[in-house]
Amino acid sequence: AAGVIQSPRHLIKEKRETATLKCYPIPRHDTVYWYQQGPGQDPQFLISFYEKMQSDKGSIPDRFSAQQFSDYHSELNMSSLELGDSALYFCASSLGGRGTDYEQYFGPGTRLTVT
Amino acid sequence: GENVEQHPSTLSVQEGDSAVIKCTYSDSASNYFPWYKQELGKGPQLIIDIRSNVGEKKDQRIAVTLNKTAKHFSLHITETQPEDSAVYFCAASIKRGNNRLAFGKGNQVVVIP
Repeated sequence: AAGVIQSPRHLIKEKRETATLKCYPIPRHDTVYWYQQGPGQDPQFLISFYEKMQSDKGSIPDRFSAQQFSDYHSELNMSSLELGDSALYFCASSLGGRGTDYEQYFGPGTRLTVT
Repeated sequence: GENVEQHPSTLSVQEGDSAVIKCTYSDSASNYFPWYKQELGKGPQLIIDIRSNVGEKKDQRIAVTLNKTAKHFSLHITETQPEDSAVYFCAASIKRGNNRLAFGKGNQVVVIP
C-alpha cells in the first residue's frame, strides 16, 4: 500500500538559511499534520491542514510557515534557521478533518541538521 | 491541554514473555488512542488504536485496553520477539485541536533473545 512520502530525507543547512520540506500524503487522504521530534523526544505537533485550509496550529515558530496545495501535498517552509531547529520532521496524513478521529499515518521523516 | 503520561520509560523482557506499557491522559474529551512503534531512524508506525466506545481491542499478539473512567490505557504485547524491540509511543487525539495527537514520552522496549 502507498505510504506517506517525504522529501528530502536528509537536509543540512547553515544558521539563518531557509529550508523547505515536502510531504505527499497517502492517496485520497485530505488531511496533513506536521510534527517535530527532537533527539530522544516524542513528536510535537506543529500545524495541520484539512482540504487545503489550515485546521490547527501548535508550537510552530513564526519563522515557519506551511501550506497544502490542490493536490493535497504540503510544504513546510522554515526560515532563519537556528541550531535548535535540528530535529526530525514528520508528516502524517489521514482521512477526514474536524471532529473525525481517523488514523494518522506517518512518513519516514526528514532529518534536518542546522550547523 | 491534553497531557499524556507513559510508564515505564524503559522495559526489558525475555523473548517469549509479555510486555505491558501504561499511559494516562488528562482530557476527558479525548476519545481516540493510537499506539505507535518507532524503530531507529524511521517514522512512527501505527500498530493499534482504540476508540472510547470500546474497552479492549486485539490484533494477533498485541492488544490495547482502555479505562475511560480512570483515564488510562495500556498496550499488551504477548510472546515477545526480538523484532518487537523499539520505542513505543501512546497518544491521545485532542478534539478541540482538530484531532492533533498528544504523545507520551515513549517507552524503550528491549526484547532479550
